[in-house]
Order: sequence, then C-alpha cells, then structure tokens
Amino acid sequence: AQRVTQPEKLLSVFKGAPVELKCNYSYSGSPELFWYVQYSRQRLQLLLRHISRESIKGFTADLNKGETSFHLKKPFAQEEDSAMYYCALSTLSTGNQFYFGTGTSLTVIP
Amino acid sequence: DTGVSQNPRHKITKRGQNVTFRCDPISEHNRLYWYRQTLGQGPEFLTYFQNEAQLEKSRLLSDRFSAERPKGSFSTLEIQRTEQGDSAMYLCASSLASGSTEAFFGQGTRLTVV
Repeated sequence: AQRVTQPEKLLSVFKGAPVELKCNYSYSGSPELFWYVQYSRQRLQLLLRHISRESIKGFTADLNKGETSFHLKKPFAQEEDSAMYYCALSTLSTGNQFYFGTGTSLTVIP
Repeated sequence: DTGVSQNPRHKITKRGQNVTFRCDPISEHNRLYWYRQTLGQGPEFLTYFQNEAQLEKSRLLSDRFSAERPKGSFSTLEIQRTEQGDSAMYLCASSLASGSTEAFFGQGTRLTVV
C-alpha cells in the first residue's frame, strides 16, 4: 500500500539557516512525488514535483529511490517560508490520486 | 478567481442533518477529487471523477456519503445523517487527465457538526 511519512510535525529554524523537511514514502511501483505548501489562510498549492527537477522559491527536492525519500531543502530560510508543507505521492495505477503525509509546520524565526 | 471554487466556505449543522457541498473545478479539467482533512492530518482521499464517471471511492467514504458530477463539470458531495466525526475540512481538487498530474485545490468547506 502507498504511504507517505513526514516525521516532523513542527520544525523551527532561524532566518538564514538551512532547512530540510523530511519525507519518506512506500510504494512498490514508480511514483510521482510532490511537495505542496499551504500558507496561512490560503489554499493548498503545488510547490514542486520531482519530475520537474526545478528549484522553486529556493527549494529543491531530490527523489532518492534507494532510500525512498523526497526531502525538501532550502539553503537559507526566509520568514515568508513559514507555512505548512505536505509531501504527496501520486500513482498512475490509482488514477493519479494523491496520498499526503501528515504535514510539517515550518516556522522561520526572524 | 479562475481557480477551483468551493461553496459554502463554512457550514455548521446539527447532528443528524444532511449537508451538501459544491465544487466548481477549473473549466478545462476533467478530473475532480474530493479529500477530507482533519486537524493535524494531511488530506485523505475520498473519491474522484473523470468527467462524469466516479472511478474510485475510498473506504473512508461510508454509505452516508455520496458524490456526483452529473455533467462532468461541477460536483456535489452530500453527507446524510451527519455525525460529529464528520467535522472536518472538505477539499476539492481538479486536474487534467493526461500530461501534468498537478492537482489544483479549492479553499475547502469547513464542516462543523454540533
């Protein structure tokens, strides 16, 4: 069965410090991995996906199939990065429905 | 706002009453998803449609829940005989069936059952 695990519910870092939000998944096939972000009082929105291999707002995430991980990283955290972050997995075999982790609330301390 | 629209934004109902929520997806999106989110949890899949066909339902979706997408455009989610455990944020999302699998989410309907 598909599962996404985000081990940290809360994460606080100082402005300018590196940040890493962890995500591990379990799926026997070839998943698509995503990071969604929810800023205060806003809707859930896509931050980045592994197939794009792009950096969005300074964030990057690399799919590590050996470790079944898709950690989100940013070298220098900014106050505006404070938000709820959800890792999600999508599979073609299940109609592209998304399986979400429980989320990590990131607080960047000024 | 041309994104996914959900109505109402908030709903308070008494236990045992029926409630219906509406979702208007992005117009060219033929896939529509319903998710439920409770405090401290990520969104949990409930059901999805491709056009008007309901292709999958989660085991979370008890027989008190029913969803429709009659013309392949907007969708409704009805909960009959609501229970306090139904209190949650109900999220709708839409996507294209092919190509990008990015899902665009609405702002959700927050249901409180008292």
